[in-house]
Amino acid sequence: DAGITQSPRHKVTETGTPVTLRCHQTENHRYMYWYRQDPGHGLRLIHYSYGVKDTDKGEVSDGYSVSRSKTEDFLLTLESATSSQTSVYFCAISEVRGAVGYTFGSGTRLTVV
Amino acid sequence: DQQVKQNSPSLSVQEGRISILNCDYTNSMFDYFLWYKKYPAEGPTFLISISSIKDKNEDGRFTVFLNKSAKHLSLHIVPSQPGDSAVYFCAASEGSDDKIIFGKGTRLHILP
Repeated sequence: DAGITQSPRHKVTETGTPVTLRCHQTENHRYMYWYRQDPGHGLRLIHYSYGVKDTDKGEVSDGYSVSRSKTEDFLLTLESATSSQTSVYFCAISEVRGAVGYTFGSGTRLTVV
Repeated sequence: DQQVKQNSPSLSVQEGRISILNCDYTNSMFDYFLWYKKYPAEGPTFLISISSIKDKNEDGRFTVFLNKSAKHLSLHIVPSQPGDSAVYFCAASEGSDDKIIFGKGTRLHILP
């Protein structure tokens, strides 16, 4: 199993509160991604990173921000959580650019009440 | 608009028979296609891929076929086993852009 860990695994939070999800990797891979999975939508890209302090928006980035101050950590922040952000969040890592396939973490189930 | 489409939300197949999962895409610039498998409470895992310069790629019980003119690919699993019960995601990417675009997934049930 590739060294990729997501924390927390489960979280319940209230509407309007900030939430940070963490993705930690021990593979020293340059490329990291955050996806969300929702019924009827599959996996959708939120933000991605090509290296330390090099991040960009994906297709569903509104309401989310990211930071990557170290190669091993990629943080996803919901600045003011809303019920529409209830979802399962997956982090993925990739060693090289180009779609040779990502390695995904086990996911974080977030519920916003 | 969805660039990668999996029109069957679910599929049930008898154990030992062939499972065929289908996927269509709209972006003619896609040049790399992948299938991921996902069990409940786990992250997706890479299953098999195919480059647009090929029309078939085989790995054990899994074969992916690509029909570029029809913008269609399919995953064949032969023979189907109980452990194949999972959600399968079709995905694609464009060479100049490594980001992978996923379909909505198809839930495969292997019946005993």
